[in-house]
Amino acid sequence: AQSVTQLDSQVPVFEEAPVELRCNYSSSVSVYLFWYVQYPNQGLQLLLKYLSGSTLVKGINGFEAEFNKSQTSFHLRKPSVHISDTAEYFCAVSTGRDDKIIFGKGTRLHILP
Amino acid sequence: NAGVTQTPKFRVLKTGQSMTLLCAQDMNHEYMYWYRQDPGMGLRLIHYSVGEGTTAKGEVPDGYNVSRLKKQNFLLGLESAAPSQTSVYFCASSFTVEVAGEQFFGPGTRLTVL
Repeated sequence: AQSVTQLDSQVPVFEEAPVELRCNYSSSVSVYLFWYVQYPNQGLQLLLKYLSGSTLVKGINGFEAEFNKSQTSFHLRKPSVHISDTAEYFCAVSTGRDDKIIFGKGTRLHILP
Repeated sequence: NAGVTQTPKFRVLKTGQSMTLLCAQDMNHEYMYWYRQDPGMGLRLIHYSVGEGTTAKGEVPDGYNVSRLKKQNFLLGLESAAPSQTSVYFCASSFTVEVAGEQFFGPGTRLTVL
């Protein structure tokens, strides 16, 4: 069975500074990987996804993530954050072979002025 | 195109009361899911459906029932609510597993059980 670990429950960062949110996964088969974002009092929306091909994936709002198979990681990065990036971010994994995806516990991104 | 909608947005119940949460999607998706979100726990899958007339248990199904009588609707029922069911409930839908799990979420229902 697959699992997802988000290593930080909260990440504070100053506005305009870079940020990295860490995600590691475990699976015995090949996987698809996702990052979702949840703004306050809203549902989740897809930020980006890795299915195959280039290991560097670009998403909405200037975010990108890199798939590292040897490290079993899929870390999310943004070179310069804005106050509007305040949200909770969820990493998720799917094998594409069953009916579900597995979500991590989430990382709250706090943007400091 | 409304996407995924949930009714109601908020509800307060007393212990032992029953209620039904409605999820509707207009994207012709085959798969639908119910999750609950609790602080520090992330999203936990309650039940899901891979097509009209089918349902299956997720990670935390106890105390909940579901029905998928129409493709576009997925109902979540609480027969006898308990304070432990206080949570935010999210519905999601997706095409099929071949589209690699991209799910579309509703805005959530905030349920408080007193």
